Amino acid sequence: EAGVTQFPSHSVIEKGQTVTLRCDPISGHDNLYWYRRVMGKEIKFLLHFVKESKQDESGMPNNRFLAERTGGTYSTLKVQPAELEDSGVYFCASSQHHPRGDSPLHFGNGTRLTVT
Amino acid sequence: AQKITQTQPGMFVQEKEAVTLDCTYDTSDPSYGLFWYKQPSSGEMIFLIYQGSYDQQNATEGRYSLNFQKARKSANLVISASQLGDSAMYFCAMRELRDNYGQNFVFGPGTRLSVLP
Repeated sequence: EAGVTQFPSHSVIEKGQTVTLRCDPISGHDNLYWYRRVMGKEIKFLLHFVKESKQDESGMPNNRFLAERTGGTYSTLKVQPAELEDSGVYFCASSQHHPRGDSPLHFGNGTRLTVT
Repeated sequence: AQKITQTQPGMFVQEKEAVTLDCTYDTSDPSYGLFWYKQPSSGEMIFLIYQGSYDQQNATEGRYSLNFQKARKSANLVISASQLGDSAMYFCAMRELRDNYGQNFVFGPGTRLSVLP
């Protein structure tokens, strides 16, 4: 089966511009997560979709970040306007729903965002 | 509050030797899962091993084993017979169940493992 795919793999934009990241989860995975790792720091949770609904968006840093998952398939994460501190690697992950919740996360390779 | 602690920012191990990467966690949930992921220099996150809180035996996957000590809330990763390709960042993570559908993963800060030839 195809894994989680993210696009683009790299993005370099100027401060104030807009960037949209895309994530295609594994087919059939209801859970979709966005994470971010700022250089040298730990991986931070951003938000969690169950199908098309936002289950938890407590990790979204501010209202410059907007995530959508229309139709419960792929998801986009838009940063508008981008700031220097938004630079980092953005990971998307998906998992199946399991009654015991044992399913691990399947990660994409991430999008490396550089804001100059 | 820090839910996942990895006290070793960096570790070195000689090729073919075993190495233990530490992980302690904090949760009040009776049901939880613990995971280890590997992130090589290429950037992708690779799932290694899983331990459920109700599992009686320590999880093993090939050269990876998880030393689960529930009372101490520790879930250390043991890599046997280290290989040069094991050099990477290793993240310990915990799954918390929110409700019947929701689950969230909390990650530790990671340990950078370097395998020496």
